[in-house]
Amino acid sequence: EIVLTQSPGTLSLSPGERATLSCRASQTITTDYLAWFQQKPGQAPRLLIYGASNRATGIPDTFSGSGSGTEFTLTISRLEPEDFAVYYCHQYGTSPWTFGQGTKVDIK
Amino acid sequence: QLQLRESGAGLVKPSQTLSLTCAVSGGSITSNYYTWNWIRQPPGKALEWIGYIYHTGSTLYNPSLKSRATISIDRSLNHLSLQLTSVTAADTAVYYCAYRLPLGPWGQGALVTVSS
Repeated sequence: EIVLTQSPGTLSLSPGERATLSCRASQTITTDYLAWFQQKPGQAPRLLIYGASNRATGIPDTFSGSGSGTEFTLTISRLEPEDFAVYYCHQYGTSPWTFGQGTKVDIK
Repeated sequence: QLQLRESGAGLVKPSQTLSLTCAVSGGSITSNYYTWNWIRQPPGKALEWIGYIYHTGSTLYNPSLKSRATISIDRSLNHLSLQLTSVTAADTAVYYCAYRLPLGPWGQGALVTVSS
């Protein structure tokens, strides 16, 4: 299976700062079928990005995804208070579909 | 607009079978042509994809579950189901159903605890 390794495990930043989250895959992800989710405590994951770089409906343009092959990045250009959460990458190109272990973005 | 809602027993004894249903509203399972998925998340841990079913009944499972999982569709009730046999404490998790991963929507999740 494709193992997704996210880094860092925790990112401590202040509101207004830029966040850069990494997701590295153990093998090439087919057709850039890589998504990013945001999850807050007690809630289901919320889709942010699909196809490596396409923003989901209603997601602000402060969120952007990039990368291809085995290296992917989620960038939050300017952190809002509501952006402090856990972020997961997810590949849906090769079965079994897998998720990374998550990056927690918390308030510094 | 599709909405999904999980339900089922919140407490299951070790070695027994976990059973959950996912009620679909706002549309018919049989007229939505993408995957209907189950995903789980142990407390404080990452997400794990369990498997999916198409409206045709075709299924695909995560091999990590070693053939313990069965996903099915009930067209008359417009819901999908998950059964997981021979459960242990490691199966304690919030279980989500989701349509057309990764696009969604997702249900709100149902916590299942495996304990005697």
